[in-house]
Amino acid sequence: QVQLQESGPGLVKPSETLSLTCTVSGDSMTSSRLYWGWVRQPPGKGLEWIGSVSYSGTTYYTPSLKSRVSISVDTSKTQFSLHLNSVTAADTAMYYCVRRRDRYMDVWGKGTTVTVSS
Amino acid sequence: DIVMTQSPDSLAVFLGERATINCKSSQNILYSSDNKNYLAWYQQRPGQPPKLLFYWASTRESGVPERFSGSGSGTDFNLTISSLQAEDAAVYYCQQYYGNPDTFGQGTRVEIK
Repeated sequence: QVQLQESGPGLVKPSETLSLTCTVSGDSMTSSRLYWGWVRQPPGKGLEWIGSVSYSGTTYYTPSLKSRVSISVDTSKTQFSLHLNSVTAADTAMYYCVRRRDRYMDVWGKGTTVTVSS
Repeated sequence: DIVMTQSPDSLAVFLGERATINCKSSQNILYSSDNKNYLAWYQQRPGQPPKLLFYWASTRESGVPERFSGSGSGTDFNLTISSLQAEDAAVYYCQQYYGNPDTFGQGTRVEIK
């Protein structure tokens, strides 16, 4: 059974870069039907899709974050990563890594809380 | 961006009663080439990540109880719980994956009355 686990700092200073890694277990990352992505949820609010990456490195990002975000994949380590630069308090959220199967998100990590504060 | 609007924002239902959540998209999300509606439903219990319930609007994910059903087409969709159980108390989200970016509804909180 596939599992996803987020890891990374829980506290990031304003203007710095938020970096998270998702480790995939129990599944191959190299199916053409699969994309690997990130969704975030500010405290007490709804869900926002950030972007996704295929095993070959093709990426899609939400336009509102495109200038600040990068998602990459390392299939040899069965990991993919999120980098969000120039963060502000508005980027404080629970960050989930997800598996996208045929575009919908069928597997979610447990999430990791990231707080942007000095 | 395609805007997804759910109604109501919250509802309280007695155990064993029916709960229905509506989701409307700002544009058609039925793809003509494959006749599929690019819509998913998720359940998020307190303190947990979202869980996929339905994709292609009405295809039930493995393990989802049959009291849950998804319906609709085009721009208007419903999630129905035919007989509410205590464990169904949660926030439910619809999501379209037709356009880029994916967008979610604002969520509907289902409570036990």
